[in-house]
Amino acid sequence: DGGITQSPKYLFRKEGQNVTLSCEQNLNHDAMYWYRQDPGQGLRLIYYSQIVNDFQKGDIAEGYSVSREKKESFPLTVTSAQKNPTAFYLCASSRKTSGGYEQYFGPGTRLTVT
Amino acid sequence: GQQVMQIPQYQHVQEGEDFTTYCNSSTTLSNIQWYKQRPGGHPVFLIQLVKSGEVKKQKRLTFQFGEAKKNSSLHITATQTTDVGTYFCAGTFDSGYSTLTFGKGTMLLVSP
Repeated sequence: DGGITQSPKYLFRKEGQNVTLSCEQNLNHDAMYWYRQDPGQGLRLIYYSQIVNDFQKGDIAEGYSVSREKKESFPLTVTSAQKNPTAFYLCASSRKTSGGYEQYFGPGTRLTVT
Repeated sequence: GQQVMQIPQYQHVQEGEDFTTYCNSSTTLSNIQWYKQRPGGHPVFLIQLVKSGEVKKQKRLTFQFGEAKKNSSLHITATQTTDVGTYFCAGTFDSGYSTLTFGKGTMLLVSP
């Protein structure tokens, strides 16, 4: 069963704690992404990686960190420096087509920090 | 930074009515993609448009890419309750990069 998995589906943390969100894909895609979605908002890009051992900041990288040690995995750490961490986090991977990059999303993780 | 504007933010229709959502960019897009997100779900890729003036159809859905490659639309004919969800457009500004800039989405509600 190919696809992207994210775990856990729901995550609760106390303020001041770092938390790591998992993202795994078995689609053999080179590129992977992390987005944040807030109610009524679109998707905002946090970090992306086009190849193993390399990643770039997106539009809202402050307070987040990532690693890309394996092609299949792209974990996201939400640090205590992130001022408003409660959100829906979506991981995606993409393959290049003739016109661009189609993105495939995981089911997401809803993070609540109190 | 570069933005993709999408309107309307929200639309409520009766089943059988048509629906259209529009996306606009101030700068030329390399391509535009459309995604659908059901309530509580994740975005699912619908289609990609690349060529100027391109029109593609998927059953009751018609997608258009403007001649100047700065705007796009999604039109649903005779909506059904299964069309409920949020529709996002997402554009690429440089064909050399793999990142997408998403619009804020249009939430569609369909009453039976």
